[in-house]
Amino acid sequence: DIQLTQSPSSLSATVGDKVTITCRASQGISTYLAWFQQKPGKAPKSLIYAASSLQRGVPSKFSGSGSGTDFTLTISGLQPEDFATYYCQQYYLHPFTFGPGTKVDFK
Amino acid sequence: QMQLVESGGGAVQPGTSLRLSCAGSGFLFSDHAIHWVRQAPGKGLEWVAVISYDGTVKNYGDSVKGRFIISRDNSRDTVFLQMNSLRAEEAAVYYCAKDVKDIGATPDFWGQGTLVTVSS
Repeated sequence: DIQLTQSPSSLSATVGDKVTITCRASQGISTYLAWFQQKPGKAPKSLIYAASSLQRGVPSKFSGSGSGTDFTLTISGLQPEDFATYYCQQYYLHPFTFGPGTKVDFK
Repeated sequence: QMQLVESGGGAVQPGTSLRLSCAGSGFLFSDHAIHWVRQAPGKGLEWVAVISYDGTVKNYGDSVKGRFIISRDNSRDTVFLQMNSLRAEEAAVYYCAKDVKDIGATPDFWGQGTLVTVSS
């Protein structure tokens, strides 16, 4: 199975910050990577697919990049509604797998 | 608007079975693969299973293979997850999610989840 690691596991930031989260796959997955946002007690929300394509309705402050084994999610101009946990997911090979998550909270 | 509504969760004992349902509306249900993803209390997301738009292709996570069965009835716009031989560690919120494609890639829209408790 393909393992995903995320770094950092948590980070503290303030409104307006630019935040970068990294996801690394245990083997090459081309660009078959997605990112999700989840707030406490809520269902996940899909942000990005194919490593860099924004899902419909997702603001452009979110961006994704990478291919192969190394990927990043960047949030430009952090807003209060962006404080959440972020997960990556690979869909290159079954079984699909999620990363362990990165929690973004207030500094 | 688009909706996915899970149902069928509840409290069961270890070793027993439960069937979850996921009803879709507001989109052409039969055009999309559907995933099940679960989240144990305080833990991360775990991918469980996916079924293709027409029900012919099914894939499962390692921990549920051979015990869980995913199926769909497009005449009712519903996907099911039959969970057998449930284990205590499978207590979780179970989410269904619509795929961006027909044969199973990644979710683009999620339901609100249904809670499954497994305890003696």
